Amino acid sequence: DIQLTQSPPFLSASVGDRVTITCRASQGISSDLVWYQQKPGEAPNLLIYGASTLQSGVPSRFSGSGSGTEFTLTISSLQPEDFATYYCQQLNSFPRSFGQGTKLEIK
Amino acid sequence: EVHLVESGGDLVQPGGSLRLSCAASGFTFSGYAMNWVRQAPGKGLEWISYISTSGDTLYYGDSVRGRFTISRDNAKNSLYLQMNSLRAEDTAVYYCARGSGGYCNGGTCYPPRYDHWGQGTLVTVSS
Repeated sequence: DIQLTQSPPFLSASVGDRVTITCRASQGISSDLVWYQQKPGEAPNLLIYGASTLQSGVPSRFSGSGSGTEFTLTISSLQPEDFATYYCQQLNSFPRSFGQGTKLEIK
Repeated sequence: EVHLVESGGDLVQPGGSLRLSCAASGFTFSGYAMNWVRQAPGKGLEWISYISTSGDTLYYGDSVRGRFTISRDNAKNSLYLQMNSLRAEDTAVYYCARGSGGYCNGGTCYPPRYDHWGQGTLVTVSS
């Protein structure tokens, strides 16, 4: 089974900051990695798929990169609505797996 | 517009059973694989099951294999999760999610993703 390790688990930042979240896979998953944003009481919302493709309607301040075992999600300039929890997920093999999440909080 | 609406969540005793449903609309349901994902209170996301478009390919997470059964009725645009032998650790919000991509066609590859999710239904297992 493929394990995903996200870091950091918590991130404190200010509006306008650039932040990066990392997701490491226990084995190579090509580019079959997606990123979701989840706000309290809501379902996850797809941000990035194929490691770097921006989902339609997602602001361009979000970007993803990486392949193989190391991936990053970057938010170029934090906006108030970006404070949420972010998850990576691998869709390369079964069982599918999620990272443990990164909670992005306002400093 | 794509809509996924889960139902069936309830309070159930340990050892009991429950059947969740996910009603799909706004897209050709039979053309998409579907998934169930759950989230325990205050915890992260856990993938639990997958079903192919025709229903002939099924996968389960280790924590539910042998107890839960995923199924679909393409004529009714519905996805189901039969949950048996429920345990306290099955307490969670259960989401259905549409799987898109994951194939190549004419030289163009479409990466896999879960592009639409329902709002979730809460299952509480407690005596």
